[in-house]
Amino acid sequence: QVQLQESGPGLVKPSETLSLTCTVSGGSITGYYWSWIRQPPGKGLEWIASIYYTGATTYNPSLKSRITILGDRSKNQFSLKLTSVTAADTALYYCARQGVTPPYVMDVWGQGITVTVS
Amino acid sequence: QSVLTQAPSASGTPGQRVTMSCSGSSSNIGSNAVNWYHQVPGTAPKLLIYSNNQRPSGVPDRFSGSKSGTSASLAISGLQSEDEADYYCAAWDDSLSGPLFGGGTKLTVL
Repeated sequence: QVQLQESGPGLVKPSETLSLTCTVSGGSITGYYWSWIRQPPGKGLEWIASIYYTGATTYNPSLKSRITILGDRSKNQFSLKLTSVTAADTALYYCARQGVTPPYVMDVWGQGITVTVS
Repeated sequence: QSVLTQAPSASGTPGQRVTMSCSGSSSNIGSNAVNWYHQVPGTAPKLLIYSNNQRPSGVPDRFSGSKSGTSASLAISGLQSEDEADYYCAAWDDSLSGPLFGGGTKLTVL
């Protein structure tokens, strides 16, 4: 079965760039959207961005100016870069598999990675 | 950042039926299907209901969902202690061109 694993630094300094990678195992990235979602401490979920296996991307408008999502089909990975981070970007970051047709369910999630901006 | 509106908390005793609501607008719930996720503290969210009222394989029929207009509801019957978790509604938002989540409802089993 498909499993997702986030990786990256757990601590990032203010104004620097947060870089995370999600590795997909047990299946191909073909045919799905692959998404990043974050959860600030004690708060709800916020969609960040998604990438289709072809490379097409969609971004949350509130973050669009600071984010880049890339895919590497050869490695079955996709990544997130968030620039100019502040304390408000401190959160638990999840990657998830998202369906390409309505209702666009996120049916497989990584365990999440905690990123602190300090 | 706009979110779907959920009550922050709900509670019930074992065996009871509890419901939780999710309110949105015409650009999300009003025109798209609703999915529900539950999250046990310290773990990743897990899909609970999709397409308003469909249960993924393995989800007990104690869980049910419904939608009407720009609102949706999740009902849990025969409440069990292991149902204690955070519950999030989500729907595609046409303005966002992406999924929009609710703020979450924390369910406590008394």
